Amino acid sequence: QLQLQESGPGLVKPSETLSLTCTVSGGSISTSSYYWGWIRQPPGKGLEWIASIYFSGSTSYNPSLKSRVTISVDTSKNQFSLKLSSVTASDTAVYYCARHGYYDSGYVDVWGKGTTVTVSS
Amino acid sequence: EIVLTQSPGILSLSPGERATLSCRASQSVSSSYLAWYQQKPGQAPRLLIYGASSRATGIPDRFSGSGSGTDFTLTISRLEPEDFAVYYCQQYGSSRTFGQGTKVEIK
Repeated sequence: QLQLQESGPGLVKPSETLSLTCTVSGGSISTSSYYWGWIRQPPGKGLEWIASIYFSGSTSYNPSLKSRVTISVDTSKNQFSLKLSSVTASDTAVYYCARHGYYDSGYVDVWGKGTTVTVSS
Repeated sequence: EIVLTQSPGILSLSPGERATLSCRASQSVSSSYLAWYQQKPGQAPRLLIYGASSRATGIPDRFSGSGSGTDFTLTISRLEPEDFAVYYCQQYGSSRTFGQGTKVEIK
């Protein structure tokens, strides 16, 4: 069964770059049916989609974050990654990696457990 | 950007009661590309409903979704103890956005 696991530093300093990796196990990231994405949830708040990537490298970004976000994929490692630059305290959140389809399958059907990232000096 | 507004913010009900959750979109959601998720404390969300009314694999039939255009509803016919949680709607027809959530709490 497909599993997603986030990894990366739990603490990032303001103005620095947050870097996270999601490792996909139990299946291949190089499937034609799915995108791979990042979603975050600030403490006590709702969900916010950040970005998604196809195994070929095609990307889509949340317009409100696009200027600070880079998403990439490494098919040889079955991983995809997120970089968020110039972070502030408002970027403190649980970050989830996720799988979703496209068009009528664009919903998220598999989630990672999430990793907490705190932005603080 | 399509903004999703969920109501009420908090729904206080007893086990066995019916829960009706609303999700209203700022503009029409194309092809009913709307999903509902359940989230319990400390856990990732879980997909309940997609395509506005199709239940995800393994979801009990007490959960049902309806609606189209700008108005969507999630109904839980009879609340079980494990159903007390936060519920989010999400549209995936134009980029992807989430509602702010409805908490279903025990009365």
